[in-house]
Amino acid sequence: DGGITQSPKYLFRKEGQNVTLSCEQNLNHDAMYWYRQDPGQGLRLIYYSQIVNDFQKGDIAEGYSVSREKKESFPLTVTSAQKNPTAFYLCASSYSVEGITEAFFGQGTRLTVV
Amino acid sequence: GQSLEQPSEVTAVEGAIVQINCTYQTSGFYGLSWYQQHDGGAPTFLSYNGLDGLEETGRFSSFLSRSDSYGYLLLQELQMKDSASYFCAVRDGAAGNKLTFGGGTRVLVKP
Repeated sequence: DGGITQSPKYLFRKEGQNVTLSCEQNLNHDAMYWYRQDPGQGLRLIYYSQIVNDFQKGDIAEGYSVSREKKESFPLTVTSAQKNPTAFYLCASSYSVEGITEAFFGQGTRLTVV
Repeated sequence: GQSLEQPSEVTAVEGAIVQINCTYQTSGFYGLSWYQQHDGGAPTFLSYNGLDGLEETGRFSSFLSRSDSYGYLLLQELQMKDSASYFCAVRDGAAGNKLTFGGGTRVLVKP
């Protein structure tokens, strides 16, 4: 079945450590996105990518980094520079053409700093 | 940049109709979408409007007026399972297909 997979579902990190969240899709989508969601809040865009080897900063990119070496994969690293990393992280993918805007989401990774 | 405004919360009873408004600002408009998210889950796509007018999908309808930078989601015949958060989203074609979401409207359906 086609879909988008995030792992792990739950992640605990000690302060000062970097951690990488995985996002893989087999939908043949060009565009991929990372969002952060805090309790009771909306989705804030961290990074997005329209094509392999290219990505752009979203609205809250500070303290995060990404790579897009393969079409299927868009991992997100939460660095120690991110001051408040505890949140729910969602990865999404979509086609990258005007008029087709349905984004498919993974089930999310809940990151907790301990 | 992009920004979207929607009400934070709406409460209604089963069988009622709820309208969630969304106003947006964006430079390269590629359409307005709506997503539903249940607590703890991932957002799922509900509808898309690329042109002005009303799109109907079962009990849910969505409307767009590009001249007013405004849209709404209409939930009819509300059911308990419709209790969720609803997000409007715009794609900016002038910013590399940046997909930005509103803050979400929490809909609470009461018996």
